[in-house]
Amino acid sequence: QSALTQPASVSGSPGQSITISCTGTTSDLGGYNYVSWYQQHPGKAPKLIIYNVNDRPSGVSNRFSGSKSGNTASLTISGLRAEDEADYYCNSYTTSDTLVFGGGTKLTVL
Amino acid sequence: QVQLAESGGGVVQPGRSLRLSCASSGSTLSHYALHWVRQAPGKGLDWVAAISFDGSVKSYADSVRGRFTISRDNFRNTLSLLMNSLRPEDTAMYYCARDGSPYTSSRWDDWGRGTLVTVSS
Repeated sequence: QSALTQPASVSGSPGQSITISCTGTTSDLGGYNYVSWYQQHPGKAPKLIIYNVNDRPSGVSNRFSGSKSGNTASLTISGLRAEDEADYYCNSYTTSDTLVFGGGTKLTVL
Repeated sequence: QVQLAESGGGVVQPGRSLRLSCASSGSTLSHYALHWVRQAPGKGLDWVAAISFDGSVKSYADSVRGRFTISRDNFRNTLSLLMNSLRPEDTAMYYCARDGSPYTSSRWDDWGRGTLVTVSS
């Protein structure tokens, strides 16, 4: 159950777009469309922002979008806002009927 | 939205046991799979265990398999995690999360606020 690979940090200015990558293997992310993204602000519980690669829960801004190609999933945030500054985690179902998270990416809005 | 509340955390010595609970207020959990996820201080999220809507299917992370047991009581609308043979590396905030499906998926719509477990002598 090796963790999915995410960049430790990304940054962008208000109004810009950023993309966070999440790389796995054919045994997890590459083999299923059960890929989700979670946003976590300091001291708070995680919040679901993308599921099934590119679906958004009700109430989540359409500035958040997801995609997947092969063993790599991506989260794109467009029109960056100060409130988007948070940690972002990808996760995926695996062939072992388990779940695995990425190591997390800290987004800084400059 | 389902409100989840964890309880049972605290300070425990290495090798001892602890039972965590997760309860829902106002909404039934019986149609959904449930998960435990932990986060060590200053670290990332770490999936711990999951249980299907009816309790028939359980899965565990390698790091806790054989030591932790997940269970649920759909009559009482609660989820539990029995943690045996605790190690210092089990120190973390433990969250319960509600899956969007009856069986395990990666879509977890609702999360509790967490309960802190500290394993230390």
